Amino acid sequence: GNSVTQMEGPVTLSEEAFLTINCTYTATGYPSLFWYVQYPGEGLQLLLKATKADDKGSNKGFEATYRKETTSFHLEKGSVQVSDSAVYFCALSDPDSNYQLIWGAGTKLIIKP
Amino acid sequence: DGGITQSPKYLFRKEGQNVTLSCEQNLNHDAMYWYRQDPGQGLRLIYYSQIVNDFQKGDIAEGYSVSREKKESFPLTVTSAQKNPTAFYLCASRHPPGASNQPQHFGDGTRLSIL
Repeated sequence: GNSVTQMEGPVTLSEEAFLTINCTYTATGYPSLFWYVQYPGEGLQLLLKATKADDKGSNKGFEATYRKETTSFHLEKGSVQVSDSAVYFCALSDPDSNYQLIWGAGTKLIIKP
Repeated sequence: DGGITQSPKYLFRKEGQNVTLSCEQNLNHDAMYWYRQDPGQGLRLIYYSQIVNDFQKGDIAEGYSVSREKKESFPLTVTSAQKNPTAFYLCASRHPPGASNQPQHFGDGTRLSIL
Protein backbone atom coordinates (compact mmCIF):
# COMPACT_ATOMS: atom_id res chain seq x y z
CA GLY A 1 0.00 0.00 0.00
CA ASN A 2 0.89 3.66 -0.10
CA SER A 3 3.09 5.02 2.67
CA VAL A 4 5.10 7.94 4.01
CA THR A 5 8.52 7.68 5.64
CA GLN A 6 10.06 10.51 7.64
CA MET A 7 13.50 10.81 9.15
CA GLU A 8 13.62 9.84 12.79
CA GLY A 9 14.01 12.48 15.43
CA PRO A 10 14.69 14.25 17.49
CA VAL A 11 16.57 16.65 15.30
CA THR A 12 18.52 19.14 17.40
CA LEU A 13 19.89 22.33 15.86
CA SER A 14 21.24 25.66 17.00
CA GLU A 15 19.34 28.85 16.26
CA GLU A 16 19.95 30.19 12.71
CA ALA A 17 21.04 26.77 11.42
CA PHE A 18 19.74 25.31 8.15
CA LEU A 19 17.00 22.73 8.52
CA THR A 20 16.16 19.71 6.41
CA ILE A 21 13.60 17.10 7.45
CA ASN A 22 13.42 14.25 4.96
CA CYS A 23 10.15 12.79 3.74
CA THR A 24 9.78 10.12 1.09
CA TYR A 25 6.62 8.46 -0.09
CA THR A 26 5.22 5.50 -1.99
CA ALA A 27 2.04 6.13 -3.93
CA THR A 28 0.18 5.16 -7.03
CA GLY A 29 -1.44 7.89 -9.05
CA TYR A 30 -0.96 11.55 -8.24
CA PRO A 31 -1.36 12.34 -4.55
CA SER A 32 -1.07 15.75 -2.96
CA LEU A 33 1.60 16.16 -0.28
CA PHE A 34 1.38 18.08 2.98
CA TRP A 35 3.53 19.21 5.89
CA TYR A 36 1.85 19.83 9.23
CA VAL A 37 3.32 21.23 12.45
CA GLN A 38 2.27 20.36 16.02
CA TYR A 39 3.32 22.55 18.93
CA PRO A 40 3.31 21.00 22.42
CA GLY A 41 -0.17 20.22 23.70
CA GLU A 42 -1.88 21.44 20.56
CA GLY A 43 -3.52 20.06 17.45
CA LEU A 44 -1.91 19.98 14.02
CA GLN A 45 -1.67 23.03 11.77
CA LEU A 46 -1.18 22.90 8.03
CA LEU A 47 2.26 24.32 7.24
CA LEU A 48 2.36 23.92 3.47
CA LYS A 49 1.20 21.71 0.63
CA ALA A 50 1.99 20.80 -2.98
CA THR A 51 -0.50 19.26 -5.34
CA LYS A 52 1.55 18.16 -8.36
CA ALA A 53 5.06 17.29 -9.41
CA ASP A 54 7.60 20.15 -9.21
CA ASP A 55 5.23 22.30 -7.15
CA LYS A 56 6.91 24.14 -4.30
CA GLY A 57 4.92 24.80 -1.16
CA SER A 58 6.10 27.58 1.16
CA ASN A 59 4.99 29.26 4.37
CA LYS A 60 6.69 31.08 7.27
CA GLY A 61 10.14 30.56 5.71
CA PHE A 62 9.62 26.81 5.26
CA GLU A 63 9.70 25.24 1.80
CA ALA A 64 9.18 21.81 0.28
CA THR A 65 9.27 20.70 -3.36
CA TYR A 66 7.22 17.78 -4.73
CA ARG A 67 9.84 15.61 -6.46
CA LYS A 68 8.21 12.77 -8.37
CA GLU A 69 11.50 11.37 -9.69
CA THR A 70 12.83 10.82 -6.16
CA THR A 71 9.39 10.42 -4.51
CA SER A 72 10.38 13.02 -1.94
CA PHE A 73 8.96 16.09 -0.23
CA HIS A 74 11.74 17.28 2.07
CA LEU A 75 11.04 20.21 4.39
CA GLU A 76 13.66 22.98 4.49
CA LYS A 77 14.21 26.29 6.24
CA GLY A 78 17.20 28.53 5.84
CA SER A 79 17.48 29.85 9.40
CA VAL A 80 15.56 28.24 12.25
CA GLN A 81 14.37 29.96 15.41
CA VAL A 82 13.69 28.64 18.89
CA SER A 83 9.98 29.11 18.15
CA ASP A 84 10.22 26.50 15.37
CA SER A 85 10.64 23.77 17.99
CA ALA A 86 7.74 21.39 17.37
CA VAL A 87 6.84 18.06 15.80
CA TYR A 88 6.56 18.04 12.00
CA PHE A 89 4.40 15.56 10.10
CA CYS A 90 4.53 14.70 6.41
CA ALA A 91 1.34 13.34 4.82
CA LEU A 92 -0.05 12.36 1.45
CA SER A 93 -3.59 12.10 0.13
CA ASP A 94 -4.04 8.46 -0.82
CA PRO A 95 -5.55 7.95 -4.29
CA ASP A 96 -6.44 4.37 -3.35
CA SER A 97 -8.72 5.30 -0.44
CA ASN A 98 -10.70 8.31 -1.66
CA TYR A 99 -7.77 10.59 -0.78
CA GLN A 100 -7.63 9.84 2.94
CA LEU A 101 -4.43 11.18 4.46
CA ILE A 102 -1.57 8.79 5.13
CA TRP A 103 0.75 10.12 7.84
CA GLY A 104 4.43 9.87 8.54
CA ALA A 105 5.50 9.13 12.12
CA GLY A 106 6.49 12.74 12.81
CA THR A 107 9.89 14.32 13.45
CA LYS A 108 10.55 16.24 16.63
CA LEU A 109 12.62 19.37 16.10
CA ILE A 110 14.49 21.00 18.98
CA ILE A 111 16.13 24.38 18.43
CA LYS A 112 18.65 25.53 21.02
CA PRO A 113 19.37 29.25 21.55
CA ASP B 1 -13.91 32.59 13.14
CA GLY B 2 -14.54 29.14 11.70
CA GLY B 3 -12.87 26.20 13.30
CA ILE B 4 -13.06 22.94 15.17
CA THR B 5 -13.79 22.83 18.89
CA GLN B 6 -12.90 19.80 20.95
CA SER B 7 -13.99 19.41 24.54
CA PRO B 8 -13.03 18.81 27.20
CA LYS B 9 -9.31 19.54 26.94
CA TYR B 10 -8.56 16.97 29.68
CA LEU B 11 -10.67 13.95 30.58
CA PHE B 12 -10.28 11.19 33.13
CA ARG B 13 -11.85 7.76 32.88
CA LYS B 14 -12.52 5.28 35.63
CA GLU B 15 -12.34 1.53 35.08
CA GLY B 16 -15.43 0.17 33.33
CA GLN B 17 -16.66 3.60 32.34
CA ASN B 18 -17.58 4.93 28.92
CA VAL B 19 -16.59 8.51 28.15
CA THR B 20 -17.55 10.73 25.25
CA LEU B 21 -15.30 13.28 23.56
CA SER B 22 -16.98 16.16 21.79
CA CYS B 23 -16.01 17.54 18.38
CA GLU B 24 -17.92 20.43 16.78
CA GLN B 25 -17.05 22.29 13.58
CA ASN B 26 -18.53 25.41 11.99
CA LEU B 27 -16.58 25.11 8.75
CA ASN B 28 -19.50 23.46 6.94
CA HIS B 29 -17.24 20.50 6.12
CA ASP B 30 -18.73 17.20 5.03
CA ALA B 31 -15.94 14.92 6.23
CA MET B 32 -14.83 14.49 9.83
CA TYR B 33 -12.15 12.28 11.38
CA TRP B 34 -10.96 10.98 14.75
CA TYR B 35 -7.31 10.18 15.35
CA ARG B 36 -5.43 8.78 18.30
CA GLN B 37 -1.91 9.96 19.08
CA ASP B 38 0.32 8.20 21.60
CA PRO B 39 3.45 9.85 23.04
CA GLY B 40 6.16 10.16 20.43
CA GLN B 41 3.95 8.49 17.83
CA GLY B 42 2.18 9.52 14.68
CA LEU B 43 -1.55 9.66 14.06
CA ARG B 44 -3.74 6.57 13.83
CA LEU B 45 -7.22 6.80 12.33
CA ILE B 46 -10.05 5.59 14.56
CA TYR B 47 -13.21 6.47 12.61
CA TYR B 48 -14.20 8.80 9.83
CA SER B 49 -17.42 10.13 8.34
CA GLN B 50 -17.84 11.60 4.90
CA ILE B 51 -21.51 12.50 5.22
CA VAL B 52 -24.20 12.80 7.86
CA ASN B 53 -25.56 9.47 9.15
CA ASP B 54 -22.67 7.51 7.69
CA PHE B 55 -19.27 6.58 9.11
CA GLN B 56 -16.51 4.00 8.56
CA LYS B 57 -13.98 2.27 10.76
CA GLY B 58 -10.40 3.33 10.54
CA ASP B 59 -7.31 1.34 11.47
CA ILE B 60 -7.97 1.09 15.23
CA ALA B 61 -11.77 1.22 15.72
CA GLU B 62 -12.01 -1.54 18.34
CA GLY B 63 -13.23 -0.18 21.68
CA TYR B 64 -14.55 3.06 20.16
CA SER B 65 -17.88 4.19 18.75
CA VAL B 66 -19.09 7.31 16.93
CA SER B 67 -22.25 8.94 15.63
CA ARG B 68 -22.88 11.56 12.96
CA GLU B 69 -26.40 12.85 13.41
CA LYS B 70 -25.53 16.43 12.47
CA LYS B 71 -23.08 17.79 9.94
CA GLU B 72 -21.28 19.90 12.52
CA SER B 73 -20.90 17.24 15.23
CA PHE B 74 -18.92 13.98 15.42
CA PRO B 75 -18.67 12.72 19.02
CA LEU B 76 -16.36 9.84 19.92
CA THR B 77 -17.18 7.40 22.73
CA VAL B 78 -14.33 5.51 24.32
CA THR B 79 -15.94 2.37 25.70
CA SER B 80 -14.83 0.14 28.56
CA ALA B 81 -13.74 -2.37 25.90
CA GLN B 82 -10.82 -0.07 25.06
CA LYS B 83 -8.26 -1.37 27.54
CA ASN B 84 -5.58 1.21 26.91
CA PRO B 85 -7.40 4.50 26.31
CA THR B 86 -4.72 6.86 27.62
CA ALA B 87 -3.78 9.03 24.62
CA PHE B 88 -4.23 12.37 22.92
CA TYR B 89 -7.34 12.39 20.69
CA LEU B 90 -7.56 14.67 17.69
CA CYS B 91 -10.60 15.54 15.61
CA ALA B 92 -10.29 16.86 12.07
CA SER B 93 -12.52 17.91 9.20
CA ARG B 94 -12.14 18.34 5.47
CA HIS B 95 -14.13 19.51 2.46
CA PRO B 96 -14.89 18.13 0.04
CA PRO B 97 -14.12 14.62 1.31
CA GLY B 98 -12.64 13.14 -1.85
CA ALA B 99 -10.53 16.07 -3.04
CA SER B 100 -6.86 15.21 -3.31
CA ASN B 101 -5.61 18.73 -2.70
CA GLN B 102 -7.68 19.65 0.34
CA PRO B 103 -5.97 19.52 3.75
CA GLN B 104 -7.56 18.39 6.98
CA HIS B 105 -8.23 21.01 9.67
CA PHE B 106 -7.65 20.03 13.29
CA GLY B 107 -9.01 20.84 16.71
CA ASP B 108 -6.76 21.34 19.73
CA GLY B 109 -7.24 17.81 21.03
CA THR B 110 -8.48 16.05 24.16
CA ARG B 111 -6.07 14.32 26.50
CA LEU B 112 -7.65 11.23 28.06
CA SER B 113 -6.17 9.51 31.10
CA ILE B 114 -7.19 6.57 33.28
CA LEU B 115 -7.81 7.21 36.96
